[in-house]
Amino acid sequence: KAGVTQTPRYLIKTRGQQVTLSCSPISGHRSVSWYQQTPGQGLQFLFEYFSETQRNKGNFPGRFSGRQFSNSRSEMNVSTLELGDSALYLCASSLDAGRGADTQYFGPGTRLTVL
Amino acid sequence: AQSVTQPDIHITVSEGASLELRCNYSYGATPYLFWYVQSPGQGLQLLLKYFSGDTLVQGIKGFEAEFKRSQSSFNLRKPSVHWSDAAEYFCAVGAIQGAQKLVFGQGTRLTINP
Repeated sequence: KAGVTQTPRYLIKTRGQQVTLSCSPISGHRSVSWYQQTPGQGLQFLFEYFSETQRNKGNFPGRFSGRQFSNSRSEMNVSTLELGDSALYLCASSLDAGRGADTQYFGPGTRLTVL
Repeated sequence: AQSVTQPDIHITVSEGASLELRCNYSYGATPYLFWYVQSPGQGLQLLLKYFSGDTLVQGIKGFEAEFKRSQSSFNLRKPSVHWSDAAEYFCAVGAIQGAQKLVFGQGTRLTINP
């Protein structure tokens, strides 16, 4: 079974631009979570989508948004980019059989650099 | 609120030596606990997880971890490390209900001396 895929793997943007990152979960997985990883803040939860609905959101400004499609693929968008948005953005998928926390499988990440 | 502490930012061990990485968590109920490993520039790979039952769990690559409720700990161990184990290791806690959200520790970077 194919793993979680993320595209693109690398992105370079300038301040003020916007960016869209894509995540394809493992086949059959219904939940997609997004995390931001930086050297200073570590791994931080952005948001989670399940059945096309945002189910939980971390403590990030409204410039960070996401969505999920009917095939469980997910995108996240960052508008009005700031230098501090430079990070590795990780997507994780889980089956979520309704039993609480489930094992999350991570993609390779998208490295975003904001100049 | 959930939180995870990994007290050791960086650990260096010699190849063949034993390893223990510490993890302490804060959570109001029995947590779901995970250890992930990350090689440079890569995503996270699951090493092992604890949901319930036997408090000593076995994972991939020869790793094991022991859940100790009384100490709120979930330490990762390996009896003999290999040079390929050099990476960053993250402990994480997940909620038993609701959304799929992990709270991670700050990570422990492992260096292996030849």
